[in-house]
Amino acid sequence: DTGVSQDPRHKITKRGQNVTFRCDPISEHNRLYWYRQTLGQGPEFLTYFQNEAQLEKSRLLSDRFSAERPKGSFSTLEIQRTEQGDSAMYLCASSPGLADNEQFFGPGTRLTVL
Amino acid sequence: AQSVTQPDIHITVSEGASLELRCNYSYGATPYLFWYVQSPGQGLQLLLKYFSGDTLVQGIKGFEAEFKRSQSSFNLRKPSVHWSDAAEYFCAVGADGGFKTIFGAGTRLFVKA
Repeated sequence: DTGVSQDPRHKITKRGQNVTFRCDPISEHNRLYWYRQTLGQGPEFLTYFQNEAQLEKSRLLSDRFSAERPKGSFSTLEIQRTEQGDSAMYLCASSPGLADNEQFFGPGTRLTVL
Repeated sequence: AQSVTQPDIHITVSEGASLELRCNYSYGATPYLFWYVQSPGQGLQLLLKYFSGDTLVQGIKGFEAEFKRSQSSFNLRKPSVHWSDAAEYFCAVGADGGFKTIFGAGTRLFVKA
């Protein structure tokens, strides 16, 4: 097992364009999380999946953001009509669903909106 | 509401010196507590975690942390810092049985020769 992977690692886009990121969790993990991290801050929770069900969305996640995990395996995060304020590192994490909820993080996708 | 405070934005220590990174949390019940490290261009790596039992927990890379309920603290320590420890360190708290983990703003560690 190679851990959590994310693709792409870097994305540069122009304001108003749509972007999509992919996350492949550790195979036996049923929980998957998306976080956003801006410079000088810790990761901020965006959304969470238990298998294919999206169980929680942060108020940080505007209507322009959508996430899916169609078969309970990989997940995608789409941002429509990107804004400069969306520039950040987008982190994905997975966990096996144990009580302590230890999460395993991917390397992140750095988004730059020009 | 849960929250995590890391009072030090950055710390500089000499190689070989001891290290303590501070973390204070706010949570009504016994929390699950974590320390993660993030090196440039890398994802977060778990150093150690506490959820019950011995309040002094050992982690990877020679790190340890002590849970002090009376002070709502979970400070990270290392007796002798190596240059490779230079990174950003995040303290985090998770709810009992819950899914959400709240992270502090991080402390950047600089190591000087």
